[in-house]
Amino acid sequence: DVKVTQSSRYLVKRTGEKVFLECVQDMDHENMFWYRQDPGLGLRLIYFSYDVKMKEKGDIPEGYSVSREKKERFSLILESASTNQTSMYLCASRGGGQGGSNLYGYTFGSGTRLTVV
Amino acid sequence: GEDVEQSLFLSVREGDSSVINCTYTDSSSTYLYWYKQEPGAGLQLLTYIFSNMDMKQDQRLTVLLNKKDKHLSLRIADTQTGDSAIYFCAGRMDSSYKLIFGSGTRLLVRP
Repeated sequence: DVKVTQSSRYLVKRTGEKVFLECVQDMDHENMFWYRQDPGLGLRLIYFSYDVKMKEKGDIPEGYSVSREKKERFSLILESASTNQTSMYLCASRGGGQGGSNLYGYTFGSGTRLTVV
Repeated sequence: GEDVEQSLFLSVREGDSSVINCTYTDSSSTYLYWYKQEPGAGLQLLTYIFSNMDMKQDQRLTVLLNKKDKHLSLRIADTQTGDSAIYFCAGRMDSSYKLIFGSGTRLLVRP
């Protein structure tokens, strides 16, 4: 089974801090994604990467950046954390191409609940 | 762009069937998925259906797709307390990397 591992389950950071959220997948997937989840809003896409060093903005990229130096690792960076970035952050990965795991949706990590105080 | 809508809450008695509904706006959504999220956990893929299918059954789960009305439903037979969770429907077009999620339906199963 594909495993997507997020380095922290819970984080508490101060306003203005630079925050790194790490995500690692072990199945050589090309595509990786960062979502945030807020009550009543579902999941909203922040950024995604379709290959190493490639990234594209999702629906709510403001205040965030990402890094994908290696295929297995996709990092989400909050340049200067603010209280409105308090949320659950979910990382996901998906294989490329038309067959196999590409058809069957994404595999998600367990999430990182970030609180900015 | 694509929009996916779900009702926010459903409560059923243990042993009854649950039906969770979802509507979507983009008729070119090729792949449609149902995910389950238990408290404090990530999302787990439950089942999926392709746009060229009308129905898919997998043990206690039945997915119905009405392409004309852009309506997707998930039926859980013999609902158990362990089925209490948030259920998300999601859609993706063949040409896109992006999976668009609904806001999630919280299912509460009463003993």
